[in-house]
Amino acid sequence: AQSVTQPDIHITVSEGASLELRCNYSYGATPYLFWYVQSPGQGLQLLLKYFSGDTLVQGIKGFEAEFKRSQSSFNLRKPSVHWSDAAEYFCAVIMDSNYQLIWGAGTKLIIKP
Amino acid sequence: KAGVTQTPRYLIKTRGQQVTLSCSPISGHRSVSWYQQTPGQGLQFLFEYFSETQRNKGNFPGRFSGRQFSNSRSEMNVSTLELGDSALYLCASSVAGTSNNEQFFGPGTRLTVL
Repeated sequence: AQSVTQPDIHITVSEGASLELRCNYSYGATPYLFWYVQSPGQGLQLLLKYFSGDTLVQGIKGFEAEFKRSQSSFNLRKPSVHWSDAAEYFCAVIMDSNYQLIWGAGTKLIIKP
Repeated sequence: KAGVTQTPRYLIKTRGQQVTLSCSPISGHRSVSWYQQTPGQGLQFLFEYFSETQRNKGNFPGRFSGRQFSNSRSEMNVSTLELGDSALYLCASSVAGTSNNEQFFGPGTRLTVL
């Protein structure tokens, strides 16, 4: 079955440290890939997306993600986190012609001062 | 350009009642999708409307229904509320609802069923 896995429910990172959030999907072909962020009390905001082309994608707020076909992964990275990055991050994937987003369970990012 | 708006923001109902939630998409967007977000289940797709027609549907019981009006505004209705329907209901709009159209989300309606 098609699925999206975010293996880390919570991640704690010190302010200024680097960050990597993991996302894996189960699908035979290349899907459309998205990362969204949800701050407390806010709706979801798109950070970046991958459809084709360069496998390293730049997004807003200094985030980037790399699509690795061989690992069926689309990990989100940031070289230096800020306290304002504390939020929940969702990986989402479109894997079929219905164009429905399938969501990971989310990773809550906690920033240590 | 105004974002996606959802009303009401908060709602408290009791079991057995019914509720209607409203979503106004970004001007020019013709696709509206609805999601249920709960701590245990994450984000679950409810349905998508495009040009007043339901185009996609998730795996929810018939108590959950929706519609879209000619101005692209959408409503979602839940009848015979159950405790498990307590959730954040998110609406998202996009230009045409195809794969490479970014979805823009509203702030959600927090529904509490007592």
